[in-house]
Amino acid sequence: ELKVEQNPLFLSMQEGKNYTIYCNYSTTSDRLYWYRQDPGKSLESLFVLLSNGAVKQEGRLMASLDTKARLSTLHITAAVHDLSATYFCAVADDKIIFGKGTRLHILP
Amino acid sequence: DAGVIQSPRHEVTEMGQEVTLRCKPISGHDYLFWYRQTMMRGLELLIYFNNNVPIDDSGMPEDRFSAKMPNASFSTLKIQPSEPRDSAVYFCASSDYRETSTEAFFGQGTRLTVV
Repeated sequence: ELKVEQNPLFLSMQEGKNYTIYCNYSTTSDRLYWYRQDPGKSLESLFVLLSNGAVKQEGRLMASLDTKARLSTLHITAAVHDLSATYFCAVADDKIIFGKGTRLHILP
Repeated sequence: DAGVIQSPRHEVTEMGQEVTLRCKPISGHDYLFWYRQTMMRGLELLIYFNNNVPIDDSGMPEDRFSAKMPNASFSTLKIQPSEPRDSAVYFCASSDYRETSTEAFFGQGTRLTVV
């Protein structure tokens, strides 16, 4: 059974700091997704990672995938308040399973 | 395309009543997923369809829940009878991820409150 674990589940950080969210999954897969969800809103896709070693960057966010370690990371560089949200990773095999999400609160 | 369309956006119902949630996927997508989101349990996959056929309904919590996809452009999730613990946000998502390696696209969700 595919399981997806994120950590940390909650993160409060100061603006300007760097941090990393980790996503571990239990089965082989070469499709991993990162989503963002703002309070009361739907999920918005951030990144699609399709192969071992894939790295994608958008603004202050960078995601990477290590399929051998079954690990993906979402790195936040010089955080700003606008990045406060909940971030989910999701893994696809025959279905798409989500982690529990990381609630990120960036303090001004 | 207008994206994944769900209706209603909000539903308040009394315990014991039947509730039907509706979803129109993105045209051309062959996968449709129903998820339930709560604070305690996160985002749970309830059921998914491929080419209108239910593939895995192991996430459906009880027999009170049922889902159908009569054609490629419409799906329903029904709860009968509803209970207060069914209160949650229900999301529908669609994708053609196996063909195009893209992600699943989510609707705006239906916020269900059972009183």
